[in-house]
Amino acid sequence: DIQMTQSPSTLSASVGDRVTITCRASQSISSWLAWYQQKPGKAPKLLIYKASSLESGVPSRFSGSGSGTEFTLTISSLQPDDFATYFCQQYNSYSLTFGGGTKVEIK
Amino acid sequence: QVTLRESGPALVKPTQTLTLTCTFSGFSLSTSGMCVSWIRQPPGKALECLARIDWDDDKYYSTSLKTRLTISKDTSKNQVVLTMTNMDPVDTATYYCARSKDSNALDYWGQGTLVTVSS
Repeated sequence: DIQMTQSPSTLSASVGDRVTITCRASQSISSWLAWYQQKPGKAPKLLIYKASSLESGVPSRFSGSGSGTEFTLTISSLQPDDFATYFCQQYNSYSLTFGGGTKVEIK
Repeated sequence: QVTLRESGPALVKPTQTLTLTCTFSGFSLSTSGMCVSWIRQPPGKALECLARIDWDDDKYYSTSLKTRLTISKDTSKNQVVLTMTNMDPVDTATYYCARSKDSNALDYWGQGTLVTVSS
């Protein structure tokens, strides 16, 4: 199975900060990567698909980049609603795998 | 409007078989490209994809759990069923079903159902 490694595991930031989360794949996944946001007690919500495509209805402060094995999720100006846990997921292979998650906390 | 909802027992005993049902609306699993996956999340931990079933009845399973899992669909009822045998306390988790199209990202998720494995 393809392993997905996210960093950092926890991130402390303030409202208005620019935040970047990294995801690395154990082998090339082309651009078959998604990012999800999850709040406590809720299901994950799709933010980004195909590495850099913004899901409909997602604010434009979220952006994704990368290809191959290195990917990033950027929040250009952190808002109060953005404090949550973020997961990356590869869908290059039928065996879907997720990263370990990055919790974005209030500084 | 696409919705998915998981249902099943909240508590199962070790060694028992778990049966979960995903009932969905707003799309059909007989439509070309549609897929439904099951994903779980132990408390405070990461997500793990368990199985997927496609519109053409192709099925895919987690490498580590495939001997314990069976996924099936009832297109007429808009349901996908997952069974997991020989349940263990480490299988305690919230179980989600989710949709994807053309093997892409999971764009709609159910609310999840917490399953606790305990004697």
